[in-house]
Formats: sequence, structure tokens, C-alpha cells
Amino acid sequence: NAGVMQNPRHLVRRRGQEARLRCSPMKGHSHVYWYRQLPEEGLKFMVYLQKENIIDESGMPKERFSAEFPKEGPSILRIQQVVRGDSAAYFCASSPGLQSHYGYTFGSGTRLTVV
Amino acid sequence: AQTVTQSQPEMSVQEAETVTLSCTYDTSESDYYLFWYKQPPSRQMILVIRQEAYKQQNATENRFSVNFQKAAKSFSLKISDSQLGDAAMYFCAYRSARGSAGGTSYGKLTFGQGTILTVHP
Repeated sequence: NAGVMQNPRHLVRRRGQEARLRCSPMKGHSHVYWYRQLPEEGLKFMVYLQKENIIDESGMPKERFSAEFPKEGPSILRIQQVVRGDSAAYFCASSPGLQSHYGYTFGSGTRLTVV
Repeated sequence: AQTVTQSQPEMSVQEAETVTLSCTYDTSESDYYLFWYKQPPSRQMILVIRQEAYKQQNATENRFSVNFQKAAKSFSLKISDSQLGDAAMYFCAYRSARGSAGGTSYGKLTFGQGTILTVHP
């Protein structure tokens, strides 16, 4: 049973380009969370999605960032017109549902470097 | 909003000794969960231990145990018989057990800043 799969593991983008980060949740998990970890800091919540629905995007920057979790396929975190400050590790976590009382299963993260 | 504070940026311990990592949190809720996660250099976030706020008994997982003081809003992690493989960044995290209006805060984890643990042979 594969865990949460994130790709790519490392992503380098020039300023102004777009970054697309993918997350495939664990089998049977329909809830996905995205977190960002800036250097030397803890993880910060960005967005919580269920299939085809954004449940909570209170941690998402208002501009340039978007997320989706389509009926088929992985969840995508999209960053348009990247800037140096977007350089960070982006983690995805999944859970089976709202009633889960357990800590989530995290992926290994995508390290985004903006040059 | 809830906050989680880890006041020890770095800690070190000798192999086979015991070390305690501190965590305090602030919340107005009475029902919640607390977690300790380990992040080794591989960057993988690994769940170490969890505690339900309604349980008086402190959680234990092999060499890892917590000291949960609900009134003081304190949640420390004790690692006994430390091993070289315990070296990592450790994060304390909080999660509400119930949602806000509309259920939007239900799933969110709030993390502390982390503590880097070094284990000396």
C-alpha cells in the first residue's frame, strides 16, 4: 500500500514561471492537505481539499496560488509567476475522512527552488 | 486561533540517555488532539505519538512518551534510551477535534517551530 506520493521531489523554476506540484493520496484517502515549510520554520497550513471541493483555503496566499483535487488524478498545487519567496518545501498529507482521529500521512515533500 | 510554541530551537543528548522536548500551546477549545512529528534529513514527516485531550493518561509508544498537562497547556516529549536514529527535527502539532462553523478548521494541523535534536555517540 503506497504512501502519499509527491512529485517532483525537487523543482527548480525561474522567476515568473509556473510551478505545478502533484500529490497522490494514500489509497482510500479522499482528503488532502497542503502545507508549506519555509527554511528553519515549521509547516504552515495552506489548503484542505476533498474530491472536487476546496474545504478550507484560509492559508493560501490570495494571489498566484491555486489548488485542485479532481475526481480523477492527483491533487495539484499550482503557483503562477513564482518569486524567490516561494522557495520552500511543500508537503501534502492525506486522511481517510473527517472522522479520522489520527495524525495524517505525509508525503516526502517537493522542494521548490526559484532562481 | 491556536498557537503552538517550541521554545528549544536545539537540544542534544548522549546515546542511551533520556531527553525531553518542550511544547506549549494556546487554545480556547476543550477538545483537541496533540501530536509529535519527527522530520529526519530525508524530509519525511513521521508521526511519533499522539494524545487526545480528553484522556488523562499520557500516551506512550515504546521509547517515546509524553507529559500532557492540560491545565498548563503543556505537551512535552520524552525520549528514553536515545538512539542515533532519533536525530531529527521534532515538531509539536495541534488539531481541533471539532470544526468551526462550516467545519473549515476541522482538519488543520498547527505546528510549532521545531526542535533540532542531536544524538551524540
